[in-house]
Amino acid sequence: LAKTTQPISMDSYEGQEVNITCSHNNIATNDYITWYQQFPSQGPRFIIQGYKTKVTNEVASLFIPADRKSSTLSLPRVSLSDTAVYYCLVGYNAGNMLTFGGGTRLMVKP
Amino acid sequence: SQTIHQWPATLVQPVGSPLSLECTVEGTSNPNLYWYRQAAGRGLQLLFYSIGIDQISSEVPQNLSASRPQDRQFILSSKKLLLSDSGFYLCAWSGGRGTNTEAFFGQGTRLTVV
Repeated sequence: LAKTTQPISMDSYEGQEVNITCSHNNIATNDYITWYQQFPSQGPRFIIQGYKTKVTNEVASLFIPADRKSSTLSLPRVSLSDTAVYYCLVGYNAGNMLTFGGGTRLMVKP
Repeated sequence: SQTIHQWPATLVQPVGSPLSLECTVEGTSNPNLYWYRQAAGRGLQLLFYSIGIDQISSEVPQNLSASRPQDRQFILSSKKLLLSDSGFYLCAWSGGRGTNTEAFFGQGTRLTVV
């Protein structure tokens, strides 16, 4: 399973766009990139998943360059409620384990 | 729709006592099932994962064990709890073989060993 590297923490202010980058140099051909959000005392929640280029949903965008060795989660116009830990996972789901790294602790300030 | 149930929500147990946490999934078949533990302020540590009945892989060799007696039931157990077993335990499921769907988590069990 490809190892991921993320910044430990980030600070932002309400209304700003936040970009969190994840490095996964050993990503395999079949691997997908998935991002989760976790609030204190809750289980992680799926945000977005992609394989290449750009994926957008109502919550976030995911940018994946051609070499797929990194990915960037983009949160537009964050609010205080976006304060959470964000995890990047890389893997192919069929019968394999989902291993979480340390995540990025995002603090949104007023 | 699929749902995942995990109980109890909180648990306080003395050192040396047994443990049994149960997780069930509804609305899907042959899911991958996972048990994670999260210490305060830390990331998620994968303990066990299962791709089918009686097919369980252990990632952390400790005094914990897991069983999957039915397709959608996953149980985390211990014969004798240690203080270091305290933490937030999460059960999760994801699609079975050949899929790339996301994982869905239960609400978690806060275990305090005293």
